[in-house]
Amino acid sequence: AQKVTQAQTEISVVEKEDVTLDCVYETRDTTYYLFWYKQPPSGELVFLIRRNSFDEQNEISGRYSWNFQKSTSSFNFTITASQVVDSAVYFCALSVLETSGSRLTFGEGTQLTVNP
Amino acid sequence: GAGVSQSPSNKVTEKGKDVELRCDPISGHTALYWYRQSLGQGLEFLIYFQGNSAPDKSGLPSDRFSAERTGGSVSTLTIQRTQQEDSAVYLCASSVILAPTYEQYFGPGTRLTVT
Repeated sequence: AQKVTQAQTEISVVEKEDVTLDCVYETRDTTYYLFWYKQPPSGELVFLIRRNSFDEQNEISGRYSWNFQKSTSSFNFTITASQVVDSAVYFCALSVLETSGSRLTFGEGTQLTVNP
Repeated sequence: GAGVSQSPSNKVTEKGKDVELRCDPISGHTALYWYRQSLGQGLEFLIYFQGNSAPDKSGLPSDRFSAERTGGSVSTLTIQRTQQEDSAVYLCASSVILAPTYEQYFGPGTRLTVT
């Protein structure tokens, strides 16, 4: 069975601070995919990134960056110079094709509040 | 183009009544998923459809829940004899095919309240 843990339930920062959202996952499968989704107050889940288990390269997209470390089963997400518009709930998720048809197993989510 | 749409956006029903929730996936997407988001359980998988294959119903919480997908497009999630614990936001997602290499696009959800 798969499991995703986001230990930080809520984080509050002041605008322009950097913030890192933690994600730890568990799976026995050697091929798997990790995702981050953003859920703004409007409620719709927005896809941010997907990484497969064979690619440990860190990725940067504008103010967003992701650190994937198989040795610690972690896939952390950093927002640099946070902005008020970054306020949302962020979900980390895991998908394994062979046994579970690509369904997403989500973490509990981290509520990020960026204050002006 | 148009995204995933769901209707109704909000539904209030009395305990014991049946409800139907509708999902219109992105045109051309063959995979369709239902998830539920509730305070106690977080985001949990319910069921998925891939093309004309038999759906994977392993996530449905009880036999009061069922879903169908007509013509490989629109899907309906039905909850019979609703209970208060069914109160949640029901999210639908679609994907080009059933593979994690393709991201799932989510609809805005249907907020179900059982009184």
